[in-house]
Amino acid sequence: AQSVTQPDIHITVSEGASLELRCNYSYGATPYLFWYVQSPGQGLQLLLKYFSGDTLVQGIKGFEAEFKRSQSSFNLRKPSVHWSDAAEYFCAVGARNNAGNMLTFGGGTRLMVKP
Amino acid sequence: NAGVTQTPKFRILKIGQSMTLQCAQDMNHNYMYWYRQDPGMGLKLIYYSVGAGITDKGEVPNGYNVSRSTTEDFPLRLELAAPSQTSVYFCASNRGDRGGWDEQFFGPGTRLTVL
Repeated sequence: AQSVTQPDIHITVSEGASLELRCNYSYGATPYLFWYVQSPGQGLQLLLKYFSGDTLVQGIKGFEAEFKRSQSSFNLRKPSVHWSDAAEYFCAVGARNNAGNMLTFGGGTRLMVKP
Repeated sequence: NAGVTQTPKFRILKIGQSMTLQCAQDMNHNYMYWYRQDPGMGLKLIYYSVGAGITDKGEVPNGYNVSRSTTEDFPLRLELAAPSQTSVYFCASNRGDRGGWDEQFFGPGTRLTVL
């Protein structure tokens, strides 16, 4: 079965600093990979996704992520963080199993931004 | 478009009570999903539907039931509520493009406490 690990539960960065959120997945085949963001009291919003092709994918709000098959990773990056980026970020892997298509989410990383 | 709407926003149940969480979408999406999010955890899929009249179990279906009589609505029924069902419940939908891997749109969630 597939699984997703986000090693950092909390991260604090200063506004304007760069950001990297880590995501490692376990899946036997080429995965579909996603990053979602959840602002306080809100549902999740898709930031970006990887299906195939170029391993560096661009998303909304200035985020990007790089798929590295050799490391089973899909880390999320942003060159300069804004205060409005404070939220919880979830990495997810999509795979087909006996239950059909299913997204498996990591435990999330809560990002705090210092002024 | 209102997107994905969920009612109620909050609910407290006593052990053994039953209730229905409502979910509706006005985007004419074929696929709909119910997830639960426990504190500090990622989302887990409870049930999903690929169209009216078709539902299937996800990762954690025990204690829940669903129906999908229309494209727009996907209610989640809790029978005999238990403290383990204390969670935040999210409904989501997507068109079902690319085998169902297109962007899922999430509702704002229902926070349920079972005492």
